[in-house]
Amino acid sequence: KAGVTQTPRYLIKTRGQQVTLSCSPISGHRSVSWYQQTPGQGLQFLFEYFSETQRNKGNFPGRFSGRQFSNSRSEMNVSTLELGDSALYLCASSYDRGYGYTFGSGTRLTVV
Amino acid sequence: SQQGEEDPQALSIQEGENATMNCSYKTSINNLQWYRQNSGRGLVHLILIRSNEREKHSGRLRVTLDTSKKSSSLLITASRAADTASYFCATDAGGAGGTSYGKLTFGQGTILTVHP
Repeated sequence: KAGVTQTPRYLIKTRGQQVTLSCSPISGHRSVSWYQQTPGQGLQFLFEYFSETQRNKGNFPGRFSGRQFSNSRSEMNVSTLELGDSALYLCASSYDRGYGYTFGSGTRLTVV
Repeated sequence: SQQGEEDPQALSIQEGENATMNCSYKTSINNLQWYRQNSGRGLVHLILIRSNEREKHSGRLRVTLDTSKKSSSLLITASRAADTASYFCATDAGGAGGTSYGKLTFGQGTILTVHP
């Protein structure tokens, strides 16, 4: 079956702009999580959605937001981009909590 | 904040040797998971071990969990060059329905290099 699909793969944005990243989970997976990976901070949890509801949120500013649609596809948005937002953003899907997650290949965001 | 700390940070071995990576964590967990990442790409799920389990196997992988010591280890037997990657442990803390449940906290990872 198809894996987790993230689009776009690469993005270059200017400080102050906003960006939307997309994630299509594995068919049948209703839990979608987002992570930020940077060399300095490693992998950090952003948020988790299940059946269109945010169930969990990490310690990120309100500029980071997300949503999940009825088909379980998810988007995350970062507004007023800062240089420090440059990172690999990873989406992961799972049947539910307590199961292993399947990760997408990520979106590499560069803020200049 | 990082819950898991991995040791060693880097490991270099020859093909055919075994590789052991350790992970320590701070709070009680529901389960602990190991992932592999190649060259900054997406993570690949290797094994999930629940808090009431002590050992799990999957092919050449063996994971142990000691909840009294809050530690886990990943053993890769008969390593291959293709095993070269970064390996992360991730803890899923809290009981079912708890606010932390489903939120994975990752360690900084172990970089494994297997030389042909």
